[in-house]
Amino acid sequence: AQSVTQLGSHVSVSEGALVLLRCNYSSSVPPYLFWYVQYPNQGLQLLLKYTSAATLVKGINGFEAEFKKSETSFHLTKPSAHMSDAAEYFCAVSDRGFQKLVFGTGTRLLVSP
Amino acid sequence: GAVVSQHPSRVICKSGTSVKIECRSLDFQATTMFWYRQFPKKSLMLMATSNEGSKATYEQGVEKDKFLINHASLTLSTLTVTSAHPEDSSFYICSATGLAGMVDTQYFGPGTRLTVL
Repeated sequence: AQSVTQLGSHVSVSEGALVLLRCNYSSSVPPYLFWYVQYPNQGLQLLLKYTSAATLVKGINGFEAEFKKSETSFHLTKPSAHMSDAAEYFCAVSDRGFQKLVFGTGTRLLVSP
Repeated sequence: GAVVSQHPSRVICKSGTSVKIECRSLDFQATTMFWYRQFPKKSLMLMATSNEGSKATYEQGVEKDKFLINHASLTLSTLTVTSAHPEDSSFYICSATGLAGMVDTQYFGPGTRLTVL
């Protein structure tokens, strides 16, 4: 079975500061990994995905994530936070063959001026 | 590209009535669609997976007769909540994967907020 653990239900940063959202996964097979962002009362928007190509993945809005197999991690980072980054972020893992996504519990990013 | 729409965005209904939610892929053919339920401040729970022209596969604990899913075409899937009750109130989100080049990513709709009175 696959699972995702997101450490920290809330992360607070100041505008301009580094954003680091943590995600650890468990999978018995090589995984696909995803980060999605959700704004209030909206669906999920894909930020980036890892599908076995480059381990450092760049996404939209300046976000990137690095797949580290030895640490079973896929942390999301952004060098400089913007107020518009405030949202809920979900890490997810899938089994390539079955496409089912297993989501983490989400991390709410709060950005203060 | 890869836009998924849902209709309606919000619906309020009386207990005992049925509600239909539509999920459409606007610019690609969706071979597989997924239906999720999200409780307040919680993660997404997969309810079912549907492939065009086939019966949906429901996750354990999801009532097939209560949550009817139809995937009649490559661009449309519907979720019907039958005999809705207040405990069915939730945020329902669909997603879709497409043909070659898109099979490894789910694209999500904007969600439908269901309130059952």
